[in-house]
This record gives sequence, C-alpha cells and structure tokens, in this order.
Amino acid sequence: DIQMTQSPSSLSASVGDRVTITCQASQDISNYLNWYQQKPGKAPKLLIYDASNLETGVPSRFSGSGSGTDFTFTISSLQPEDIATYYCQQHDNLPYTFGQGTKLEIK
Amino acid sequence: EVQLVESGGGLVQPGGSLRLSCAASGFTFSSYSMNWVRQAPGKGLEWVSYISSSSSTIYYADSVKGRFTISRDNAKNSLYLQMNSLRDEDTAVYYCASDSDAFDIWGQGTMVTVSS
Repeated sequence: DIQMTQSPSSLSASVGDRVTITCQASQDISNYLNWYQQKPGKAPKLLIYDASNLETGVPSRFSGSGSGTDFTFTISSLQPEDIATYYCQQHDNLPYTFGQGTKLEIK
Repeated sequence: EVQLVESGGGLVQPGGSLRLSCAASGFTFSSYSMNWVRQAPGKGLEWVSYISSSSSTIYYADSVKGRFTISRDNAKNSLYLQMNSLRDEDTAVYYCASDSDAFDIWGQGTMVTVSS
C-alpha cells in the first residue's frame, strides 16, 4: 500500500498569511494526488485534483503543485473561512490512501 | 442538484450487522465508480471500499475485508455497504463518494456506532 505522509499535523496562521502544507508519497504516484478540505461536522470537499488542477468553483487562492513523491498545497492569502482540516489523497493505486490531515487554525 | 444521501446508520452491538445505503441524484450514477470512506470520531479519513461503474471491480481495505460487502444497483441509482461482524473500531461516520479520478461528490455521512 502507498503511504501518504502529510505535514504539519497542525498549523496556526494569521489572516492574510501564505500557508503551505506538504504531502509525501511512499512511492511514485505521478500526479495522482488530490487535496480535500473538511470543516467540522461536514463532508470533505474536493479542492485540487491531479496535483495542480483547481476544482470548479474553488477560489484561486488555493493551489497545488508537485509530482512523483512530493507535493505541496498552498493558500496564498489565508481567509477566516479557510479554517478546516486539509487532507491529501493518492489516487494512483487502490487502496486509495489519505494523509493524516492538517488542522489549520487562525492565530 | 447533484447529490448523494446516505442512510442506514445507527447503534449496533459488537458482532452485529448493518446495511448502509447511498442514494444518488442529479448525475449519471451508472457512469461512475463509487467509494465508501469512513471517519472515526476525532480521527482522519479512511478509505473503505471501491466498486467500478459496472460492479466488475471491487476492492476493500484490509481492515474490513471479509466482513464488509459493497454493491450497487444502477437501475435504482443506489450504492450499498453490507457490514457484518461489526467491531468497536468500526464506529465512524461513513461517507459515500463518487470517483472520477478524485472524490468529487460526497454524501453528508451516516453515523455507525458499535457498542454494547
């Protein structure tokens, strides 16, 4: 199984800050990497697919990059509504595995 | 409106069974692979099971293999998860999610609690 290592596990930042989360796969997954946002009590929401493609309707302050084993998720200017937990997920091979999540808080 | 709605969760004793359903609307359900994903209280997301659009390919996480069975009825736009021999560690919110190389549509989740 492919292991996904996401860091940091938690992050505190101020409104307007640039926020970066990383995700590392245990083997090459090309660009088959997705990013999800989950707010408390809600279902996850797809933000980025295939490493760098913005899902329709998602604000452009969200972006993703990377390929192979190393990936990055960025919020260019943190907004109060971005408070959530973020997960990476590999979609290269079953079982589809998620990172352990990054809980983002406002400082 | 594109929508997935889960049902069938509840409280069950260890060793018991439960059948979850996921009703799809607003999109061509029969064209999509589907998945079940769960989230234990205060924990992260765990992929549980996958079924292809025609039901020809099915996969399970090791943690549920031999105990859970995924199925679908394309005529009824519905996905199912039969859960047998339930354990305490199966307690979680269970989500169904459509699969178009990313989980782009999610249901609201249904809570399964395994406890005596």
